[in-house]
Amino acid sequence: DVKVTQSSRYLVKRTGEKVFLECVQDMDHENMFWYRQDPGLGLRLIYFSYDVKMKEKGDIPEGYSVSREKKERFSLILESASTNQTSMYLCASSLIVNTEAFFGQGTRLTVV
Amino acid sequence: KQEVTQIPAALSVPEGENLVLNCSFTDSAIYNLQWFRQDPGKGLTSLLLIQSSQREQTSGRLNASLDKSSGRSTLYIAASQPGDSATYLCAVESGNTPLVFGKGTRLSVIA
Repeated sequence: DVKVTQSSRYLVKRTGEKVFLECVQDMDHENMFWYRQDPGLGLRLIYFSYDVKMKEKGDIPEGYSVSREKKERFSLILESASTNQTSMYLCASSLIVNTEAFFGQGTRLTVV
Repeated sequence: KQEVTQIPAALSVPEGENLVLNCSFTDSAIYNLQWFRQDPGKGLTSLLLIQSSQREQTSGRLNASLDKSSGRSTLYIAASQPGDSATYLCAVESGNTPLVFGKGTRLSVIA
């Protein structure tokens, strides 16, 4: 079974902190994604990567950056956390384009 | 820009009923459509993936259909059970655009 693992289930950070959310997949998938999920807004794409060292902006990249130094790991970075970044963050991976996507368990981030 | 809509937003049914969840999308040039399940506070679990060339996919009590030309998909759940209570999300993948999601249908199956 594909496993996508996010480093934390719950996280509380202070405004202005630099925050790292880590995601690891164990099935040699080419593609990895970061979404955030908010009530009433659904899932929105932050960044994605179709290859190691490659990254593309999604619909809401402002305030975020990503790193993919190794194929299995995709990190989301909040450069200076703000309260409006309080959200559920979901990481996903897929083998290639047009294949099934698998999601991690989510990280509930609260910025105070 | 692709938009995905799910109706209804919430649904409550008695145990044992057959039910249909609806999903529509605005751009029919899709690679695939996927249905997911999400339990409260958890990540998404993949249920079914329908390629653009397919009309339907089945898994156990679940059957998903796709009418690409009209931009519609349905998820049929047979003989619903309380354990089916969750939010169901559909999403479409197009070109080099990753999955675009609807806002989901929150299903409650009452024992």
